[in-house]
Amino acid sequence: GAVVSQHPSWVICKSGTSVKIECRSLDFQATTMFWYRQFPKQSLMLMATSNEGSKATYEQGVEKDKFLINHASLTLSTLTVTSAHPEDSSFYICSARDSRNEKLFFGSGTQLSVL
Amino acid sequence: AQSVTQPDIHITVSEGASLELRCNYSYGATPYLFWYVQSPGQGLQLLLKYFSGDTLVQGIKGFEAEFKRSQSSFNLRKPSVHWSDAAEYFCAVGVTAGRRALTFGSGTRLQVQP
Repeated sequence: GAVVSQHPSWVICKSGTSVKIECRSLDFQATTMFWYRQFPKQSLMLMATSNEGSKATYEQGVEKDKFLINHASLTLSTLTVTSAHPEDSSFYICSARDSRNEKLFFGSGTQLSVL
Repeated sequence: AQSVTQPDIHITVSEGASLELRCNYSYGATPYLFWYVQSPGQGLQLLLKYFSGDTLVQGIKGFEAEFKRSQSSFNLRKPSVHWSDAAEYFCAVGVTAGRRALTFGSGTRLQVQP
């Protein structure tokens, strides 16, 4: 079945550094990818919708200059957390929509810890 | 590695009818199990989760799910479906020791007929 690879699965970084998370569809093309964030014991929250070749659409309250999204190809979207702070520590997960059948497939998530 | 199977890609039920969405998982230890719902244009919302204890779990919006270890299943149920329940539903499994990695099923799209 369709697979979405998300890397890294966990990362620890120092405050002020930037972290890049990759979301890759392995055997299908995805014109649309989604990035979610989940705080402990809460539901996943949609951060942004990433469309190949165009700017991402951010949800209200999400800082686009802090969470940079690049969807440069039909199989890859990246989320860069710039100048990370401890409050950015969270679980981030991406999903990709298969352009052939509109099915959604999820990455396994990235646990970010900012010290 | 864990895996999740949602055998039904698409289900249509009449409003007021009962609903059961199937979820089977594969994992060697005791899993954390979740059901999420995604309505059109919205992000995922957690319906319910199972970590331990009572195998029948109550969630929001009148949903419940039952963990059956012998069948490796965590089926979602609702006794009477409302038109607003039309959405896509995802089952997910997490490793026992933490929630760093979640494996999601491919989802079941629910349509509700008047």
